[in-house]
Amino acid sequence: AAGVIQSPRHLIKEKRETATLKCYPIPRHDTVYWYQQGPGQDPQFLISFYEKMQSDKGSIPDRFSAQQFSDYHSELNMSSLELGDSALYFCASTRQTMNTEAFFGQGTRLTVV
Amino acid sequence: AQTVTQSQPEMSVQEAETVTLSCTYDTSENNYYLFWYKQPPSRQMILVIRQEAYKQQNATENRFSVNFQKAAKSFSLKISDSQLGDTAMYFCAFMNQGGKLIFGQGTELSVKP
Repeated sequence: AAGVIQSPRHLIKEKRETATLKCYPIPRHDTVYWYQQGPGQDPQFLISFYEKMQSDKGSIPDRFSAQQFSDYHSELNMSSLELGDSALYFCASTRQTMNTEAFFGQGTRLTVV
Repeated sequence: AQTVTQSQPEMSVQEAETVTLSCTYDTSENNYYLFWYKQPPSRQMILVIRQEAYKQQNATENRFSVNFQKAAKSFSLKISDSQLGDTAMYFCAFMNQGGKLIFGQGTELSVKP
C-alpha cells in the first residue's frame, strides 16, 4: 500500500539559507500535519492543512511557512535557517472523515551547519 | 490544553519478560484517541497500538496490550514476551478532534538478552 512520502530524506544547509521540505500524503488523504523532532525530544506539532487551508497551527516560527497544493501534497518552507532548526521533520496524513489514525512519513533529517 | 506525560525516561527488561510503560494525559474532551508509537534507531515513527476513548475494552495487538483507565486518564502499554527488536523509544500520544497529535516525552526501552 502507498505510504506518506517525504523528500528529501536528508538535507544539509548552511545558516541563513532556505530549505523546502515536501510531503506527499497517502492517496485520498486530505489532511497533512507537520511535526518537528529535535535531538532527544518528542515530536512537536508545527502546522496542519485540510483541503488546502490551514487548519491548525502550533509552535511554528515566523521564519517557516507551509502550504497544501491542489494535489494535496504539502511543502514546508524554512528561511533564515538557524543551527537550532536541525531536527527530524515528520509529515503525517489522514482523511478527515476517517480521522482515527495519523500515517507518518519517514521524515526529513535537516542539518544546519 | 492537552498534555501527555511519560514519567519513565528509560526502562530495561530481559528478553522474554514483560514490561509496562506508563502514560498519563490531561484533556477536557470526551472523544479522542490514544496511541503508542515506537521509534527505533532508524527514527521512523511506527504505530504500535491505538485506543478509542469511547471503548471500554482495552486494545490488544499480539504481544502489545494497553490498560486504559479513562477516569484516571491513564494509558499504559504492556509488552509481553519482550524481544530484542522491541528496543526503541516509545511515545504515548493523544489525538484531539482535529487530528493533531500531542506526544509524551518518550520512554527509551532496552531489551537485554
